[in-house]
Amino acid sequence: GAVVSQHPSWVICKSGTSVKIECRSLDFQATTMFWYRQFPKQSLMLMATSNEGSKATYEQGVEKDKFLINHASLTLSTLTVTSAHPEDSSFYICSAPPDLTGASGSDVDEQFFGPGTRLTVL
Amino acid sequence: GENVEQHPSTLSVQEGDSAVIKCTYSDSASNYFPWYKQELGKGPQLIIDIRSNVGEKKDQRIAVTLNKTAKHFSLHITETQPEDSAVYFCAATPSYSSASKIIFGSGTRLSIRP
Repeated sequence: GAVVSQHPSWVICKSGTSVKIECRSLDFQATTMFWYRQFPKQSLMLMATSNEGSKATYEQGVEKDKFLINHASLTLSTLTVTSAHPEDSSFYICSAPPDLTGASGSDVDEQFFGPGTRLTVL
Repeated sequence: GENVEQHPSTLSVQEGDSAVIKCTYSDSASNYFPWYKQELGKGPQLIIDIRSNVGEKKDQRIAVTLNKTAKHFSLHITETQPEDSAVYFCAATPSYSSASKIIFGSGTRLSIRP
C-alpha cells in the first residue's frame, strides 16, 4: 500500500522557537493533504487542509499565523509551528489521499496517514 | 458540519470474546465510514470501511454494519486476540472523494484480557 512519512518523528524545543514538520507521500502524488493534532487520550482533530499550489484552509479556531502550512510539491507538505509554547505540545499527524484512485495499490478513496510527530515544547 | 459520536470510550473483553463499538453521525450527506486502529505512538491505520450503499461488510474477524436511516454504524470484532488491544476510531466523510475531510469519533480504548 501507499506510504506517508513524517519527519521528524519526535522533537523537543524551547518555548518561543519555531518547529517545522514534514509530511511526504512516498510513492504517490497528493494535491491535498490534511494536518491533524492529537492530545493525549483524545481523538484526532483536523487543523487544516493543505493544497498544492494554493493557500491552506484552516479549521475554525486554528490560528493560521501560528501554524504555517506550505504544500511545496505534489508529494510534500510542511507544517511550521511558530513561536511554540508548552500548550502546543501534541502529536501531529498528516494524511494524504492519492490523487489517482488505485495509485500504489490503494483501494478507492483511502486516505493514508503518516506515523505522527511528537512535539514537546519546554 | 459533521459530528461523530462514539461509544464506549473504554472496553475490556476476555480473549476470544467479541467486541462491539458503536458510532452515530449527524450529517445525512456523509456516505463513507472508515474505521481506524491506532497503536500507542503511531498514526491511525485503516482496518475496514463501508459506504452508504452497503449495509454490512466483513473482513475475516472484523465486520462493520451501517444503518443509514438511523445514522448508526458499528464495528464488530470476533474471536478477539491480544493484538487487537488498541484505540479504535470511527469516522465519517461526506463524499466518496478521498480529498474530503475525515471527521473522527472520540475513540474507544479496547483491552483484551488474557
